Amino acid sequence: QSALTQPASVSGSPGQSITISCAGTSSDIGTYDYVSWYQQHPGKAPKVIIYDVSKRPSGVSDRFSGSKSGDTASLTISGLQAEDEADYYCGSYATGSPAVFGGGTHLTVL
Amino acid sequence: QLQLKESGPGLVKPSETLTLTCTVSGGSVTSGTYYWGWVRQPPGKGLEWIGSTYYTGNAQYNPSHKSRVTLSVDTSTNEFSLRLSSVTAADTAVYYCARHPFTILTGYYLDSWGQGILVTVSS
Repeated sequence: QSALTQPASVSGSPGQSITISCAGTSSDIGTYDYVSWYQQHPGKAPKVIIYDVSKRPSGVSDRFSGSKSGDTASLTISGLQAEDEADYYCGSYATGSPAVFGGGTHLTVL
Repeated sequence: QLQLKESGPGLVKPSETLTLTCTVSGGSVTSGTYYWGWVRQPPGKGLEWIGSTYYTGNAQYNPSHKSRVTLSVDTSTNEFSLRLSSVTAADTAVYYCARHPFTILTGYYLDSWGQGILVTVSS
């Protein structure tokens, strides 16, 4: 069982926006502003797309944005494109463990 | 550009020790603000952080595996390694090495990943 809770799947049509939630606790997301999001295409290594809740690494599209409210973080992808179809994982710093992950969410672009 | 690459056996017998090495190019393992970590992913499942280590030997471990895991860094070869003892079939996974920014200023996340190596535990 993962430390952070994500929906197993989400879907959207090209051009639409979707949001993936990541529920934590006061021991992780609720206390620390160190939430990260990773995109993983089949057979590939994960790639960080958001860190420190809402910062984007150089080269990551501004269609990806992150936020946090209380114990829950969110990843929003706007202007969905076919290439966005992938698995998405949230991560967080946590008390007693510098890195915990969610179980992952599969995004289907219809 | 920083590159990481895992190496090691693809098959390990139950009860034995798994040893993997990550070779770093395009950067130095002695870079001051980074730890160097390991993450695994069982087939069809999610990510699990195993641990991360600083080049001085200070390491942080996932409490779930702390008793079986040893991380080390070899600054002369610019490599870091994972040793996981007493493996079982549950340790079958793709193992990734990654660079781990690890300060209040840099944040805490995994910013560069190796391609991954599949390790199967089976007799």
